[in-house]
Amino acid sequence: EPEVTQTPSHQVTQMGQEVILRCVPISNHLYFYWYRQILGQKVEFLVSFYNNEISEKSEIFDDQFSVERPDGSNFTLKIRSTKLEDSAMYFCASSDDLAGVGETQYFGPGTRLLVL
Amino acid sequence: EDQVTQSPEALRLQEGESSSLNCSYTVSGLRGLFWYRQDPGKGPEFLFTLYSAGEEKEKERLKATLTKKESFLHITAPKPEDSATYLCAVQPRDGNNRLAFGKGNQVVVIP
Repeated sequence: EPEVTQTPSHQVTQMGQEVILRCVPISNHLYFYWYRQILGQKVEFLVSFYNNEISEKSEIFDDQFSVERPDGSNFTLKIRSTKLEDSAMYFCASSDDLAGVGETQYFGPGTRLLVL
Repeated sequence: EDQVTQSPEALRLQEGESSSLNCSYTVSGLRGLFWYRQDPGKGPEFLFTLYSAGEEKEKERLKATLTKKESFLHITAPKPEDSATYLCAVQPRDGNNRLAFGKGNQVVVIP
C-alpha cells in the first residue's frame, strides 16, 4: 500500500541553524501539506502546496519557513533560523483532490525536531 | 475561525465496554469531517471521512456518525489494540484543503 515517507525521523539542531525536513508523498497525489504537533498539543496546519506553488498557509508559516518540490518525488520544508519554539513533530501529508471534494489526506510518520 | 472540541479528553475502558467519543465543531461551511487514529510518536492514520449530516461509516469495531454540529466515534466491544488517541479534523469549504484538528480523545482499553 502506498505511503508517505519522511526523513529524518529525528533531528536535533542548535537555535539559529537551518534545517530541511524531507518528504516523499504518495506518487499520484497532487496536494502536499505540512503540519506540526507540539508535544501534548493539537496537530496544526502550516501550509498546503499544489501545482508548484503555495495554495494556503497559516499564521505560523512566517518568513522563516519555506517549502519546495525540488524534483518529481520530494517535498521539503525548510526552517531558516530555528527557534526553541520550533521544537515539534512535523508531519507531511498528501492527497488526491481531482474531484474538488474533501479528499483524504494521508500522513507520514513525522520528523521529531528538537531545537537546543 | 474553525473550532474543533473533542470530549472526553481521556477515557479508560474495560475490554468489551462500548463507548462513544464526541467531536463538536464550528466551521464556515463543512467540506468534510475526518477521523484519524494516532499512536504515540506516530503520524495520524486515516479512519473515516464524513461529508454530510446523517452519514455513517463503519470499520471493524468503529462507527462514525455526523450531524450538523458534531460527530461521534462509537467503539463497540473494544480490545486493547484499540488503545490510541483518536483525532477529529474538519475541512472548511473556504480553505484550500487545510484540516483543523481537535486535541484528540485518548483511549486506553484495559484487558
